[in-house]
Amino acid sequence: AIQLTQSPSSLSASVGDRVTVTCRASQGITSGLAWYQQKPGRAPKLLISDDSSMVSGVPSRFSGGGSGTVFTLTISSLQPEDFATYYCQQFNNHPYTYTFGQGTKVEIK
Amino acid sequence: QVQLEESGGGVVQPGRSLRLSCAASGFTFSSYGMHWVRQAPGKGLEWVAVIWYDGGNKFYGDSVKGRFAISRDNTKNTLYLQMNSLRAEDTAVYYCARESLGFSSTMDVWGQGTTVTVSS
Repeated sequence: AIQLTQSPSSLSASVGDRVTVTCRASQGITSGLAWYQQKPGRAPKLLISDDSSMVSGVPSRFSGGGSGTVFTLTISSLQPEDFATYYCQQFNNHPYTYTFGQGTKVEIK
Repeated sequence: QVQLEESGGGVVQPGRSLRLSCAASGFTFSSYGMHWVRQAPGKGLEWVAVIWYDGGNKFYGDSVKGRFAISRDNTKNTLYLQMNSLRAEDTAVYYCARESLGFSSTMDVWGQGTTVTVSS
């Protein structure tokens, strides 16, 4: 099964900073990669699907990119409400599985 | 509005069983695949199981295969997770989530979760 490894596992940043989270896959991904945001005590929220497609209502400061085995989530100007944990996720049909990365916690510096 | 609401969590002894439910509203439940995803205390997200829109196919994560069973009742707009032979490592918040339509293989709507604690 494909493994997803996020880096860094955590980071400290200030409001206004540009932040990039990387998700590396153990094999090439062909079904598209998604990104989720989760705040403490809350359910995850879908931000980006198909590598770079923004979900309706998600602020434009979030963007996704990459292909193959390396993908990125970028927050162009970090806002107070963006402090959260971010997860990447992919689907593979041989075997039929959905996999999440281990998460990246974005904290206030 | 589109909503998912889990129930059925609680404290259960190792080796026992528990059934979770997820009530859907605000969308055509029978048109969507549905997932269970769990999160152990202080840990990341782990995919548990998926069931296709019509119940025709079901798939499981390796850690629950043979012990858990996903099912749905489209007449009641409800998703289920039957959990048998529970272990301490099954302790987690269990979320139900809707599969996005189309080919993106993502989960676009989530419930708030129900907590399962396996302990003697």
